[in-house]
Amino acid sequence: DGGITQSPKYLFRKEGQNVTLSCEQNLNHDAMYWYRQDPGQGLRLIYYSQIVNDFQKGDIAEGYSVSREKKESFPLTVTSAQKNPTAFYLCASSLGTSGSNEQFFGPGTRLTVL
Amino acid sequence: KNEVEQSPQNLTAQEGEFITINCSYSVGISALHWLQQHPGGGIVSLFMLSSGKKKHGRLIATINIQEKHSSLHITASHPRDSAVYICAVRGWGAQKLVFGQGTRLTINP
Repeated sequence: DGGITQSPKYLFRKEGQNVTLSCEQNLNHDAMYWYRQDPGQGLRLIYYSQIVNDFQKGDIAEGYSVSREKKESFPLTVTSAQKNPTAFYLCASSLGTSGSNEQFFGPGTRLTVL
Repeated sequence: KNEVEQSPQNLTAQEGEFITINCSYSVGISALHWLQQHPGGGIVSLFMLSSGKKKHGRLIATINIQEKHSSLHITASHPRDSAVYICAVRGWGAQKLVFGQGTRLTINP
C-alpha cells in the first residue's frame, strides 16, 4: 500500500537530548513537509523540502533540523535548542508544492520531553 | 487576526443532524483544503477546491472566492463523523498551506 509512515507513534525523551523523528513515503512524491500541532492551535510548518538535497525553513524552524538525502525519507531532528518540544508532529508529502497538489499526511508522532 | 478562521471551534450534535462548519480566510488563494483528523491524530484529506462545490458521499464542500469563505456540510451525521475538521489554504504563489485551528465535532447517538 502507498502511504506515509512515521515512527514511533509515541516518543519520550529527557530534556536536553536530541531526538530524530522518522518519516518515510512510498508515493514517489517530490515534496515533503514537517508540521507541529499544539492543543487549540492550527498546524504550523517547521520545514519543507521540494526535492532531494534541498529544504527550506518554515514558520517555526528554530530548534529543529532536517535532511533530505533520499526522495522517500525526510527525518526531523528536535534539538536541545527547541525550548518547548513536547507536541504532536505530522509529516506530509505531495507531488509538488503548487496549489493543485494535495498533501497526504502520516499518522503522526507524539513527542513528550520529560 | 489569523489568516484562516474557522467556526464554530466546537460543535456537538445528535445523530442525523445536518452539520455546517465554516472557514473564512483573508488572502487570495489558489486552493482550499478540508481535512479530517481522527482522535488518534492521523489526518485525511477530504476535499481540495478552488471554486464551486464538491461532494463525496455525505460530505459537501463549497467555496465562495469573492467572499473568501468556504463551508463543509455533513448530511445525516453519524457518530463516526466525530473528529476535528481543519480548513487550510494556499495563497497565490505560496509554497505552503496555512491552517485554521480546527473545529471539533462530536456526534452523539
